[in-house]
Amino acid sequence: DTEVTQTPKHLVMGMTNKKSLKCEQHMGHRAMYWYKQKAKKPPELMFVYSYEKLSINESVPSRFSPECPNSSLLNLHLHALQPEDSALYLCASSQVQSTDTQYFGPGTRLTVL
Amino acid sequence: AQSVTQPDIHITVSEGASLELRCNYSYGATPYLFWYVQSPGQGLQLLLKYFSGDTLVQGIKGFEAEFKRSQSSFNLRKPSVHWSDAAEYFCAVGALTGGGNKLTFGTGTQLKVEL
Repeated sequence: DTEVTQTPKHLVMGMTNKKSLKCEQHMGHRAMYWYKQKAKKPPELMFVYSYEKLSINESVPSRFSPECPNSSLLNLHLHALQPEDSALYLCASSQVQSTDTQYFGPGTRLTVL
Repeated sequence: AQSVTQPDIHITVSEGASLELRCNYSYGATPYLFWYVQSPGQGLQLLLKYFSGDTLVQGIKGFEAEFKRSQSSFNLRKPSVHWSDAAEYFCAVGALTGGGNKLTFGTGTQLKVEL
């Protein structure tokens, strides 16, 4: 099983809302990632968790708050977002070794009104 | 810092024709190179990867790529394109940093297939 699942598929929220994105994998991977992808652009790394600890934060604004409650789950909590935060948010997982493949989920399409 | 260049933003080929997508990388050490494909509104699917060994790498869906260190290139090829290959293709270079493989993607090449 090489599947990474993400919920919801689509999310529309106002700038004052609080919402969460969820990502799950059951491949035994110990590294999990959040990427942001704007239309017609490549994915941009936001956060990396390694062994359930935040190892990389690519200077992401604090209105994005990641959480890794266990080795299979990764959440992204959203609060007070801006319209420019509208994008496809992709989750990925891998083993921790540098040579391992990152497996991507289908993404959550976020629209901020 | 690593970087990837995909010089072709758009490519159009006829179904059945051969395909080559270009990728050039910049990385100080031995690169870990990947090709991913993305259909509209979808996640990324790995086509193939190169870490070491044979410089000609076979992937899924009939794709292959050749690593050329002297040219810092990792071009993707397919001998006969199918209409279902129309998608966005991303080349990426990976580096282990702070735990996990940090991927740096190229800007992507949009492939259109004419029937």
